[in-house]
Amino acid sequence: DSGVTQTPKHLITATGQRVTLRCSPRSGDLSVYWYQQSLDQGLQFLIQYYNGEERAKGNILERFSAQQFPDLHSELNLSSLELGDSALYFCASSVGGAGYGYTFGSGTRLTVV
Amino acid sequence: TQLLEQSPQFLSIQEGENLTVYCNSSSVFSSLQWYRQEPGEGPVLLVTVVTGGEVKKLKRLTFQFGDARKDSSLHITAAQPGDTGLYLCAGIIQGAQKLVFGQGTRLTINP
Repeated sequence: DSGVTQTPKHLITATGQRVTLRCSPRSGDLSVYWYQQSLDQGLQFLIQYYNGEERAKGNILERFSAQQFPDLHSELNLSSLELGDSALYFCASSVGGAGYGYTFGSGTRLTVV
Repeated sequence: TQLLEQSPQFLSIQEGENLTVYCNSSSVFSSLQWYRQEPGEGPVLLVTVVTGGEVKKLKRLTFQFGDARKDSSLHITAAQPGDTGLYLCAGIIQGAQKLVFGQGTRLTINP
């Protein structure tokens, strides 16, 4: 157990739908990062939050949004889902910046049918 | 185009052999990290290197950061089936705080 909790572990939904992925960071970690992992694209950075504020954005689609709450858990919202959004979504946390290394959760496998 | 290119993409060898995996870029990194990922799990941090020319050892694994901080290598001695997994290098570009990942090397050690 890495200390980073992601729910749900698996999600199957239809095109056009909206889903919410949830992440609880490791105790004491203020930064949360979201990544998408697909077979052809590898691990792609989506977005980072630090202590409730957005810090950096990567290749995140406009249909996707995220937030970090006062208790530091984070949610990634994916809307108007397309088949190509099927992937593993990982949340990671770190005590400070990226230089400290990330602790990853086990991921949410999203399948859009 | 990947900022970090890993080679080889796939490697299958017999138990007891040695191997080296490479991570290359044209960009300079302030630090570089190696992770290992097993099926159904998230990547797990193995090591962070920050100084050009730095060498770190973790049991049978040796990590090296290039002098110019543009490349890194992972060498495994006497590979064991338990070393099987996806090895990912990840770097922080100088001046940025974002960690970018290579595509990974999928390593299989056959008993």
